Amino acid sequence: DADVTQTPRNRITKTGKRIMLECSQTKGHDRMYWYRQDPGLGLRLIYYSFDVKDINKGEISDGYSVSRQAQAKFSLSLESAIPNQTALYFCATSDYFQETQYFGPGTRLLVL
Amino acid sequence: GQQLNQSPQSMFIQEGEDVSMNCTSSSIFNTWLWYKQDPGEGPVLLIALYKAGELTSNGRLTAQFGITRKDSFLNISASIPSDVGIYFCAGQFLNAGGTSYGKLTFGQGTILTVHP
Repeated sequence: DADVTQTPRNRITKTGKRIMLECSQTKGHDRMYWYRQDPGLGLRLIYYSFDVKDINKGEISDGYSVSRQAQAKFSLSLESAIPNQTALYFCATSDYFQETQYFGPGTRLLVL
Repeated sequence: GQQLNQSPQSMFIQEGEDVSMNCTSSSIFNTWLWYKQDPGEGPVLLIALYKAGELTSNGRLTAQFGITRKDSFLNISASIPSDVGIYFCAGQFLNAGGTSYGKLTFGQGTILTVHP
């Protein structure tokens, strides 16, 4: 079984809809991250959480919100989706003592 | 904030050729990481570098942490078809309070295509 799972893997939605992307991990890591990947732009950090009570904005948090329901679960929400949020979204985890991040398989989101 | 410039953006090579890609930064990084992303999957760590001047190998891959701490390169020798994918560099900068620990800045990626 994968250590970091994301659901759904693919999602098509319409402008203005609220959607939630979910991430679960079995690695026992405290730290979790949400990234967005666009062609030619690499991976950009949306939000990160260093423990259940710690939530921080990344470089592109506008239009997104997150919830850390438990050590193993970190959800990303788009309150009112817009077409320029069409992208590949990745969740990642890391241990407190390690800078190495472990990525999930990604969620491909299309906003029409 | 820190910016990373990764080059080239894409490469088309023949199987058996060597590959070189690099990342440069306007700021100093304390750690450099190289990731590979296969189609339809998340990035996977290839090599981690922790010290200026460090040269580390992982099979046919070799990466170096630049002396100035502002750059890093990755070499792949004798490429094979399964080397196809997107390669990302990533850097970590530790601020005085250590609160940036774990936060990475990623390069734009190098798309590698290997022709058999």
